[in-house]
Amino acid sequence: EAGVAQSPRYKIIEKRQSVAFWCNPISGHATLYWYQQILGQGPKLLIQFQNNGVVDDSQLPKDRFSAERLKGVDSTLKIQPAKLEDSAVYLCASSLTSTGEKLFFGSGTQLSVL
Amino acid sequence: GESVGLHLPTLSVQEGDNSIINCAYSNSASDYFIWYKQESGKGPQFIIDIRSNMDKRQGQRVTVLLNKTVKHLSLQIAATQPGDSAVYFCAENAGGTSYGKLTFGQGTILTVHP
Repeated sequence: EAGVAQSPRYKIIEKRQSVAFWCNPISGHATLYWYQQILGQGPKLLIQFQNNGVVDDSQLPKDRFSAERLKGVDSTLKIQPAKLEDSAVYLCASSLTSTGEKLFFGSGTQLSVL
Repeated sequence: GESVGLHLPTLSVQEGDNSIINCAYSNSASDYFIWYKQESGKGPQFIIDIRSNMDKRQGQRVTVLLNKTVKHLSLQIAATQPGDSAVYFCAENAGGTSYGKLTFGQGTILTVHP
C-alpha cells in the first residue's frame, strides 16, 4: 500500500515570498491533516479536512496560510507571504476515520525561510 | 491551554536493555492516547495506542501504560535495538468537539548504543 506522498521534499525561500506544498493521501482515506513541526517540538495541527470540507482550522494563521482539498483527495497548503518563523517541516497525514485514530504521516516538506 | 509534556527530553540505553519513556498530560477529558516514533527526515510512525478505559496495552516489544489518576502515560520498549533510536512523541485526543485533533508532546530522543 502506498503511503502519504508529499512534495517538494525541501524548499528554501526568502521572507515575503510565496510557497505551496502538495499532499496525496493514502487511497480511500477521507480525513487529511496538515501539521507544522518546528525543530525540537512536536507536530501542531494546522487544518483538518473531512473529504473536501474543513473540520478544524482554528490554529491556521489565516492571514497568510491557506489550504484546499479539491475533490476530496489531494491537498495543497500555501503560505503567502512567508515569515522567518514559518521555517519548519510541514507534515501531511491521512486516516480512514475522522476521530484522530491511526494517522499515517508523509515524510514532510522542510521549509527554510531566509 | 491544555498540553501534553514529557519528563525526559533524552534517554540513552544499551542495546538489549529495556527503555521507558514517560509522558504527562494535563487534559482530563482526553480519552485516547497514541505513541509515535519519528526517525530523522521522516514523518511520525504509529507505534501503539490506548483508550482511557484501559490501563495497559501490549504490542510487539512495546507496552503502553496509562495512569489516569496522575495523568501519566509511559511507553516501554523491551530489548531495545539500535533501530529503535528515534524521537518518541506521545499524543492525546481530547474527544468531544476536539475529536480528531491530536495534541503532541515535545518528544523524547532515544539513543540506543550497540
